[in-house]
Amino acid sequence: KAGVTQTPRYLIKTRGQQVTLSCSPISGHRSVSWYQQTPGQGLQFLFEYFSETQRNKGNFPGRFSGRQFSNSRSEMNVSTLELGDSALYLCASSFRSGTYNEQFFGPGTRLTVL
Amino acid sequence: QQPVQSPQAVILREGEDAVINCSSSKALYSVHWYRQKHGEAPVFLMILLKGGEQKGHDKISASFNEKKQQSSLYLTASQLSYSGTYFCGTEKNTGNQFYFGTGTSLTVIP
Repeated sequence: KAGVTQTPRYLIKTRGQQVTLSCSPISGHRSVSWYQQTPGQGLQFLFEYFSETQRNKGNFPGRFSGRQFSNSRSEMNVSTLELGDSALYLCASSFRSGTYNEQFFGPGTRLTVL
Repeated sequence: QQPVQSPQAVILREGEDAVINCSSSKALYSVHWYRQKHGEAPVFLMILLKGGEQKGHDKISASFNEKKQQSSLYLTASQLSYSGTYFCGTEKNTGNQFYFGTGTSLTVIP
């Protein structure tokens, strides 16, 4: 079974620009969660989509948004980029409808904002 | 609601044992454990549920104390490949948001 894929793997943007990241979950998984990872901050939850609906949302500003398509693929968008948005962005997929909701992470997108 | 992990970092020699703890101030449905090696994505190790069920790799053991809302990950006879950052993730109810701890850096030296 193919794992979680994320594109692109690396991005360099400048302040004020916007960016869109993509995540394809494991086949059959209906949940996609997004995390921001920075040194010392661990994994900060952004949001989760389940069957095209936002199910949970973390404490990030409205510049961070996402969506999920009918094939469970998800995109995350960050508008008006700031230097502090530089981070590794990870997505994770899960069944989220059973007893065990383990998450499977993609390789991440490394975003650098200059 | 972020769980608290301890210790923050630990250095072991091959063959030594280690325990990593994860505590939450909220009643939990599940605790997850993941390991992340440098430059790689976190990898699922184990999940423990309220009520005693658990699922994970045969060589990994963990416990979940529901009264204390605390989980411990036990790494025995450590190998060099155990090096990485270990994260616990918690879920208050099934379907709720996950909260991850800040991680425990584990280094195993020869």
